[in-house]
Amino acid sequence: GNSVTQMEGPVTLSEEAFLTINCTYTATGYPSLFWYVQYPGEGLQLLLKATKADDKGSNKGFEATYRKETTSFHLEKGSVQVSDSAVYFCALSIGGYQKVTFGTGTKLQVIP
Amino acid sequence: DTGVSQDPRHKITKRGQNVTFRCDPISEHNRLYWYRQTLGQGPEFLTYFQNEAQLEKSRLLSDRFSAERPKGSFSTLEIQRTEQGDSAMYLCASSPTRQGYNEQFFGPGTRLTVL
Repeated sequence: GNSVTQMEGPVTLSEEAFLTINCTYTATGYPSLFWYVQYPGEGLQLLLKATKADDKGSNKGFEATYRKETTSFHLEKGSVQVSDSAVYFCALSIGGYQKVTFGTGTKLQVIP
Repeated sequence: DTGVSQDPRHKITKRGQNVTFRCDPISEHNRLYWYRQTLGQGPEFLTYFQNEAQLEKSRLLSDRFSAERPKGSFSTLEIQRTEQGDSAMYLCASSPTRQGYNEQFFGPGTRLTVL
């Protein structure tokens, strides 16, 4: 079956630090890959996506590259801000119905 | 606001009672999904509608769960004889149908607490 594994949190960083959240996947076929973000008290939002190998998704300073050879889609940001504090979910979608399979989420806390 | 809406936002019920949740998708979206998210976990797929047709159901959706989308617009999710293990956030998402990937837009969720 399809599954997503991401690093456990919480991750606590100082403002302006470099962020990496690791994500690996298992899929039967060629999935699209996503990072979703859930800010405190808000719903899930799509942060970025990549639909084929070697694609790089980017948004709001966050980046992730679809690595088929290592089945990975690690999230990075060069300089985090307090406003980036949220829970980040790695996810994949495959097949005609495009249902999304999520990882367990990684809580990020950025302190001033 | 033309996003996905869900009602109610919170529901507290006693074990054994029936509950029903409603989801109103973005108006031009013909795909609708239900997910369940328990504390500390990612959302898990429950079921999917293409217009009014329910095309896939997860094995997580026991016989006590039923979902409908009678006119291809809003959807309802009913849980009969609720159990404490049903306590979770129930999320609805919608997307259009176009060639290629279609982003799913999520609603704020309905948080269910079964006492």
